[in-house]
This record gives sequence, C-alpha cells and structure tokens, in this order.
Amino acid sequence: DAGVIQSPRHEVTEMGQEVTLRCKPISGHDYLFWYRQTMMRGLELLIYFNNNVPIDDSGMPEDRFSAKMPNASFSTLKIQPSEPRDSAVYFCASKRDMLETQYFGPGTRLLVL
Amino acid sequence: DQQVKQNSPSLSVQEGRISILNCDYTNSMFDYFLWYKKYPAEGPTFLISISSIKDKNEDGRFTVFLNKSAKHLSLHIVPSQPGDSAVYFCAAARSGYELNFGKGTSLLVTP
Repeated sequence: DAGVIQSPRHEVTEMGQEVTLRCKPISGHDYLFWYRQTMMRGLELLIYFNNNVPIDDSGMPEDRFSAKMPNASFSTLKIQPSEPRDSAVYFCASKRDMLETQYFGPGTRLLVL
Repeated sequence: DQQVKQNSPSLSVQEGRISILNCDYTNSMFDYFLWYKKYPAEGPTFLISISSIKDKNEDGRFTVFLNKSAKHLSLHIVPSQPGDSAVYFCAAARSGYELNFGKGTSLLVTP
C-alpha cells in the first residue's frame, strides 16, 4: 500500500493567492482528517470526513479555509486568500473506522510570503 | 484550549539510558491514549497506545504508563537509541471521537 499521499510536498506562495492542498487516503479508509502543525499550537485538527461527508469542521480557522471530499479517494484543502500566518505544515490522515489508528501522509509545507 | 499538554518541548538523553516523555490531559472523558513519533519531513507514525482500562502497555523498548487519577501518561524508552531521536506527540480521545494532540516533545538521543 502506498500510504496516504499528499501533494504538493512544498508550496511557496504570495499573500493573497489561492492555495490548494491535495490528499489521497489509503484505499478502504472511511475517515479522512486534515491537520495543521505549527510551533505555537502543535497538531490541530482542522476538519474530518466520514464516507466523504464533513463531520466536524470546528477547527477550520476561518472562512478563508475550505475542504472538500468529492469521492473516497480524494480530498482538497483550499485557502483563499492565503495569509502569512497560514504558513505551517498541513497533514492529511486516514483510517478505516473511528476506533482505529490514524495513518498520516508526509505533509505539505506551506510558506506564504 | 489545549486538552492535551506536553510541557517539555525538548529532552536530551544519552544512548542506553531511559527516556521518559510526559503528557497531561484535562478531559476526564478521554479513554484512549496514543503516542506518535515524527521524523523531520515525514508524517507522524503510530507508536503505542493504551486504553483507560489499563495502566501499562509495553511493546519492546517502549512502555506507556497511564495514571487516570492524575490525568497523566508517560512514555518510557529503554534503552534509548540514536534512532529514537524524533518528535513525540501524545494524543488522547474519547471513544468514537477525534484525537486531541499535544504540541510534541523533541527527543535527542546522543551517542
């Protein structure tokens, strides 16, 4: 199994630009999570999906952030417009059911100038 | 509001010695606890877990201890090896709910 796949691995953009992060979960996993890691706040859960349906988006910082899961094998996290304070590492994780361990992707390192 | 706290941002231990990483939580409803390990430029990987019905779980060199009354858990690595140098995240959850992570402790094991 290829594991959770994230793209791009690195993204450098200018303030005000739209950023789209992509994730392919492990096949057969029904849950998909988006996290953000910063020095100040550690690993924060932004949103998670179950069977492609958003379940809890209370961690999404503000309306500039949106996430979609159009099918079981693909999810996007979009930031529009991006700001320097969005600079962080964004992780996607998936798991088969709620009681199982999560498997993380390698992350996307985002730098907004 | 941080429900899972790792108060030591970093820890340095000599190879062969014991590493003890600590974690505190505030939510008494949490009943499942995990440790994840993270190397640079990689995602966190699951290391070991414990449920609230136990107070100890061991897997090779790694042991997790849970003290429910103190809302405290710890990860012991014995003996520590240079390859153990990584960031360790503590996480806790209420069954059926999402994980809450701490900020992580960076462990450096020196030869």
